[in-house]
Order: sequence, then C-alpha cells, then structure tokens
Amino acid sequence: DTGVSQDPRHKITKRGQNVTFRCDPISEHNRLYWYRQTLGQGPEFLTYFQNEAQLEKSRLLSDRFSAERPKGSFSTLEIQRTEQGDSAMYLCASTLARRLNTEAFFGQGTRLTVV
Amino acid sequence: KQEVTQIPAALSVPEGENLVLNCSFTDSAIYNLQWFRQDPGKGLTSLLLIQSSQREQTSGRLNASLDKSSGRSTLYIAASQPGDSATYLCAVEGGAQKLVFGQGTRLTINP
Repeated sequence: DTGVSQDPRHKITKRGQNVTFRCDPISEHNRLYWYRQTLGQGPEFLTYFQNEAQLEKSRLLSDRFSAERPKGSFSTLEIQRTEQGDSAMYLCASTLARRLNTEAFFGQGTRLTVV
Repeated sequence: KQEVTQIPAALSVPEGENLVLNCSFTDSAIYNLQWFRQDPGKGLTSLLLIQSSQREQTSGRLNASLDKSSGRSTLYIAASQPGDSATYLCAVEGGAQKLVFGQGTRLTINP
C-alpha cells in the first residue's frame, strides 16, 4: 500500500466555481479525516468519517462544503461557490481506530487557490 | 476546548547541534500525542506517536517525551542535519477523536 493519496495536488479556480477533491485512504483504515491548513498555521479539523458514516463536522464547514465517503472507501470534499477565503491546503488523513494506537497518516494535500 | 502551543515558532541552529522543540496543551485528558514533520508545500509525515500511558518514544535520532499531567511534550533531535530542516507540528487526540494541532516550529539547520 502506498499510503494516503489525494487528487488533485493543485487546483486553481475562479471565485464562484465548484471544486471537488478526492482522498483514497490506506485500504484497511476505517476512519478518514479532512483538515484545512492556511499558511503558517497548523491544520484545522473539518470533518471525519468512520466507515461510511460522517460522525462530526466542524463549525468551519459552512453549508458550501460537503463531504462524502460512499461505501466506506474513498472520500470526496466538494466546495460550492468558492470564495477567496477558501484558498488553503486541504489535507486528508486516515487511521485504523484502535483503543491504544490511532496513529494518523496524512496525504500530500490538495492546494486550492481561488482567484 | 483543547489548545496546543508550540514554542519557539522558528528556530535556526548550526549543523550537528542537539535541539529541543516544545509543545504544550491545555487539557491533559488525551489519548495520544503525535509529532509530524512538514516540508514546504507538502503533506504531513508522522514521526512519533506517544500513547497517553507512555512517557517517551524514540526513533533514530528523534526522542519524544510526554508529561501528561503538566500538559507538555518535547521533541529532541540529536546531531541535527540540514535535511532536518522543516516545520515540526505536534498534535493531541482527545475524547473528540480528532487531532488538535499546534502552529508548528519552523526549523532551519545551517550547514
């Protein structure tokens, strides 16, 4: 297994357009997380799934954001009507949720620039 | 609400020196603490995971310690090399089952 994979790596879009990002987690991992990171800051939690169920969404996730994880495998994050403030690195992570060891593995991220 | 702070925000040292990065957190009820490395424009690479019942973990030239009661962790890097230059992030996982990150320490190792 090659780890967590994200696509695309970079996306430039015009304000008002919709964008969709994909994350493929490590195959046996049952939890998948989305984080957002702006320049000079640590990543901030957006949402997470356990299998196909979306268990928590941050207040950062406005109504323009939606995430899915059909069949508990890959996940997509869609941003509708993008705004310049959405420009950031979007990071995906996966874990195999066990009580004693929940090491998180991250993908390379998708860098979104809204112009 | 859990808050994680990393000091210093930036650090520059000559090659070969040993160094310590600091991480503090406000809520001691954590499951584990994880240290990551991030190169510019890249994702996060996991370095070390310390479970709440552990005091330290070692991997090569890296040693991370955890003092849960005081809300502190340190990452010790021995014999630093230019390739160690990166941003180092610590993150804690608590009952909310998500990671809360510090802002990172940007480390530069000068040849």
